[in-house]
Amino acid sequence: AQSVTQLGSHVSVSEGALVLLRCNYSSSVPPYLFWYVQYPNQGLQLLLKYTTGATLVKGINGFEAEFKKSETSFHLTKPSAHMSDAAEYFCAVSDQADKLIFGTGTRLQVFP
Amino acid sequence: GAGVSQTPSNKVTEKGKYVELRCDPISGHTALYWYRQSLGQGPEFLIYFQGTGAADDSGLPNDRFFAVRPEGSVSTLKIQRTERGDSAVYLCASSDSGRAPGELFFGEGSRLTVL
Repeated sequence: AQSVTQLGSHVSVSEGALVLLRCNYSSSVPPYLFWYVQYPNQGLQLLLKYTTGATLVKGINGFEAEFKKSETSFHLTKPSAHMSDAAEYFCAVSDQADKLIFGTGTRLQVFP
Repeated sequence: GAGVSQTPSNKVTEKGKYVELRCDPISGHTALYWYRQSLGQGPEFLIYFQGTGAADDSGLPNDRFFAVRPEGSVSTLKIQRTERGDSAVYLCASSDSGRAPGELFFGEGSRLTVL
C-alpha cells in the first residue's frame, strides 16, 4: 500500500525567505510523485511531478522538488517566498496506475 | 468550458436523504476521478473511471455510495441515505491519462452538508 506523510500541517515564513515543505512517501513500486497547490476558493492544481529521469524537478512559480529514493522523500522548496505563495500544498504518490494518494496537506503562510 | 465543472457548488440536505453530485470533465479526457476532502484532511480517493467503466472503486466507503459515467463524459456521484459523516467537499478531476499520468485537473468541488 502506498502512503504519504507531510510533516507540519502549518508552515510560516517571511516574504523573501526560503520555503521548505516536507514530504515522505511509502511505495512498494517505483513511485510517481506530485505536488499540488490549492489557493483559497480554487481547485487543486498541479505544481510539479516526478515520473522518471532527472530527480530534481522544476515546477511553476519558482518551486522545485528533489526525489531522494534513499530517504523516500520528495520535499518542495522555493528560494524566496512571495505573498502570493500562501496556499495549501499537497504531496501525492501514485503507483503509476493513475490513482493518486494524497497527504494531509501543509498550509503555507507568508508574512510581510 | 475549459475546466472541470461541478454542480452544485453547495448542497445542504437532511440525514437520510438522497443526493446526486455532477461532474463535467474537460472535453476529451478519458479518465475521471472522484475524491472526498474532509476538513483538515487531504483528498481521499473514492473511484476512478476510464471511459464508461469504473477501473477502481476501492475507495467507496460503503454501498450507499455509487457513481456512474454512462457515456464516458459526465459523471454523477450518488449518495443514498445520507449521514452526518458524509459531510465533506467532493472533488472531481479528469485527466488525459495516456499522455500525462497523474496530471489531474480538478474542479472546485461540491460542498455537501448533512444536517
